[in-house]
Amino acid sequence: EPEVTQTPSHQVTQMGQEVILRCVPISNHLYFYWYRQILGQKVEFLVSFYNNEISEKSEIFDDQFSVERPDGSNFTLKIRSTKLEDSAMYFCASMPLAGGQETQYFGPGTRLLVL
Amino acid sequence: GNSVTQMEGPVTLSEEAFLTINCTYTATGYPSLFWYVQYPGEGLQLLLKATKADDKGSNKGFEATYRKETTSFHLEKGSVQVSDSAVYFCALKESGGYQKVTFGTGTKLQVIP
Repeated sequence: EPEVTQTPSHQVTQMGQEVILRCVPISNHLYFYWYRQILGQKVEFLVSFYNNEISEKSEIFDDQFSVERPDGSNFTLKIRSTKLEDSAMYFCASMPLAGGQETQYFGPGTRLLVL
Repeated sequence: GNSVTQMEGPVTLSEEAFLTINCTYTATGYPSLFWYVQYPGEGLQLLLKATKADDKGSNKGFEATYRKETTSFHLEKGSVQVSDSAVYFCALKESGGYQKVTFGTGTKLQVIP
């Protein structure tokens, strides 16, 4: 069964460094998302992406964050200058062409630790 | 805006006990409702879903019924197993387009032998 994959599974970085989290959505899906889950808290929406542009973003998704679909398969989340509070599990999700009832499928997550 | 409220955990049950995790929602439109499960150290897996009122989603012995009149989507299982120990998230997604998923806070379930 097709699944969303994410790399790396874990990343440790120093505060102020740039990180790029990578996702390979399910191949025939057209909508892509990033969510994050700070340890012990709820899963929060960051951004949605369709047709090579951001569809919606949350207030968390400030200028330090960017997303890109550099080729036909990858979907990336970049954090330009990481802060301690960026430490979280980051989930990528994808969804096929929306007709109203489609389900988002989540990847296994990347656990980011900022020191 | 949309929101999901689910019962606080942790919930500790003995094996073969009956499980209910309550979930209620607030939404402006006609959302689809979901239960996701997160096993220790793993990502989010879709457990079940329902897309309209009175629909019942079911999977692996779990079930939940979309109740529009009470805006609820309670998760139930008749006989839990140790392997069901995980965090369960109730969630909703408005219909149409790129709509994001809104999650509840999660309920940790621990099943003891």
